[in-house]
Amino acid sequence: GQQLNQSPQSMFIQEGEDVSMNCTSSSIFNTWLWYKQDPGEGPVLLIALYKAGELTSNGRLTAQFGTTRKDSFLNISASIPSDVGIYFCAGLQGAAGNKLTFGGGTRVLVKP
Amino acid sequence: EPEVTQTPSHQVTQMGQEVILRCVPISNHLYFYWYRQILGQKVEFLVSFYNNEISEKSEIFDDQFSVERPDGSNFTLKIRSTKLEDSAMYFCASREGLLAKNIQYFGAGTRLSVL
Repeated sequence: GQQLNQSPQSMFIQEGEDVSMNCTSSSIFNTWLWYKQDPGEGPVLLIALYKAGELTSNGRLTAQFGTTRKDSFLNISASIPSDVGIYFCAGLQGAAGNKLTFGGGTRVLVKP
Repeated sequence: EPEVTQTPSHQVTQMGQEVILRCVPISNHLYFYWYRQILGQKVEFLVSFYNNEISEKSEIFDDQFSVERPDGSNFTLKIRSTKLEDSAMYFCASREGLLAKNIQYFGAGTRLSVL
């Protein structure tokens, strides 16, 4: 089946740092979504990408949809403590866009 | 802001028992989904539901699972005879419609613990 490979699996951030994570696939997806999951909660949508090459921002978050529709990155600028959590990329295939295929997640932790 | 609500937040059950997980999707949404997340793993698709029927299901969604929209607001997932490996977080999601931008909104989840 389709797989989304997300990296890094985990990262430590220090307040004020910029962080970056990415997601790659061997399959083409029509829509890429980035979600954040806090402990004990459901995924919350951060950014949605629809067109190849699209670059979209949401506050301190910026994400881009790769030109081949097989990859995407998410950047967080000037990180703050509440950025801690698990970030998932998720892709949809087909016009109906039924099921989301999720990446393995990037766990963002605060540097001790 | 409208949200997907799920009950209960935590369900503990004995192996072999039936459980029903409940969801109230966002009110004007037409597409409904169940996903599962085993502890420490990624979120996995179980089933999608539209127009009172299943539109797609994964291989995880075997004969032990069923979904129902018993009235205009609830969407349920039933597991007939739970197994230890069914222990996971179960997320309900909903989407407005074909013209909505493919965005699925998730509930906070139900943690199912099978003992």
